[in-house]
Amino acid sequence: DVKVTQSSRYLVKRTGEKVFLECVQDMDHENMFWYRQDPGLGLRLIYFSYDVKMKEKGDIPEGYSVSREKKERFSLILESASTNQTSMYLCASSLGDRESEKLFFGSGTQLSVL
Amino acid sequence: GDSVTQMEGPVTLSEEAFLTINCTYTATGYPSLFWYVQYPGEGLQLLLKATKADDKGSNKGFEATYRKETTSFHLEKGSVQVSDSAVYFCALRAPSGGSYIPTFGRGTSLIVHP
Repeated sequence: DVKVTQSSRYLVKRTGEKVFLECVQDMDHENMFWYRQDPGLGLRLIYFSYDVKMKEKGDIPEGYSVSREKKERFSLILESASTNQTSMYLCASSLGDRESEKLFFGSGTQLSVL
Repeated sequence: GDSVTQMEGPVTLSEEAFLTINCTYTATGYPSLFWYVQYPGEGLQLLLKATKADDKGSNKGFEATYRKETTSFHLEKGSVQVSDSAVYFCALRAPSGGSYIPTFGRGTSLIVHP
């Protein structure tokens, strides 16, 4: 089975800190995604990537950036963390870019910004 | 843009009751439709999918039929168990600007009592 691994399950940071969330998949998937999950709002797409060094903005990219230097790794960066970025962050990947392709998710990182 | 609307929760049922979670969508083109499930403390995992009109997806006693005429993909199970308690997300994947962007509903929490 495909494994999508997020580096931290829980993370506590202070306002203004630079935060890195790491995600690694082990099945040579081309597509990778970052979502945030908030109660009552479901999953909202932050950024996605269809290939190494390529990135596209999702629905809520403000305050975030991403990096994909290697195919298996997709990092989410909070340049200056703020309290409204406290959330559950979910990384996902899919084999290719077709409508029938399912997503494989990591277990999530619960980020608290104090 | 594309969107998915699903019934608000929580849905609370007794064991062996019949389950329906409604899902409707708006999309251009012909999307594929998915149901994902999130158990407590975990990421999302695919429950079932359907890729064209009138297809029925099924898994673990759950099923959903792709209804193009009503743009719906309602999730059903004839007899729920306590272990089915989770959050269920309806999702679609449709062409958008040359890519296939996954779009999720807000999720429906299911609580099954013994």
